[in-house]
Amino acid sequence: DIQMTQSPSTLSASAGDRVTITCRASQSISNWLAWYQQKPGKAPKLLIYKASSLESGVPSRFSGGGSGTEFTLTISSLQPDDSATYYCQHFNTYPYSFGQGTKLEIK
Amino acid sequence: EMQLVESGGGLVQPGGSLRLSCAVSGFTFSDYWMHWVRQVPGKGLMWVSRISDDGSSTSYAESVKGRFTISRDNAKNTLYLQMNSLRGEDTAVYYCARSRKFYHFFTGYYYCPDSWGQGTLVTVSS
Repeated sequence: DIQMTQSPSTLSASAGDRVTITCRASQSISNWLAWYQQKPGKAPKLLIYKASSLESGVPSRFSGGGSGTEFTLTISSLQPDDSATYYCQHFNTYPYSFGQGTKLEIK
Repeated sequence: EMQLVESGGGLVQPGGSLRLSCAVSGFTFSDYWMHWVRQVPGKGLMWVSRISDDGSSTSYAESVKGRFTISRDNAKNTLYLQMNSLRGEDTAVYYCARSRKFYHFFTGYYYCPDSWGQGTLVTVSS
């Protein structure tokens, strides 16, 4: 099974900052990776698919990169509404797996 | 507008059974593979199961294999998860999710969960 490891687990930054979250796969998953945003009490929301494709309706300050085993989610200019937990997930083979999540706090 | 609405959660004793439903609208259900994903309150996400568009193919996480069964009724636009022999560690919010399909010329099809329901809470406790 493929293991996904995210870092950092928590992140605190100010509005306007640029932040990057990293996700590592235990083996190559090509670009079969998604990023989700989850707010308390809500379902996850797809932000990025195929590692770098921006989901329709998602602000352009979100971007994804990487391939193989190393991936990043970057938020170019943090907004207060970006306070949430972010998860990576591979969809290369079954079983799918998620990273453990990164909780982002806006100072 | 696309909607996925889970139901059927609740309190069940260890060893008991429960069937979750996910009623969908706003898209052609029979065109999409579907997933179940769960989340222990306050913890991370765990993929549980998936089913092909026609119901002929399924996959499960190891921890639920042999106890859970995913199925669908395309005529009713509804996805199901039959959960048997429930354990305390199955306590979680269960989400259904639709899959977006991608094709790679050399390696075939890939399915990414893209739209999720609001979830239904299953509590396994005596």
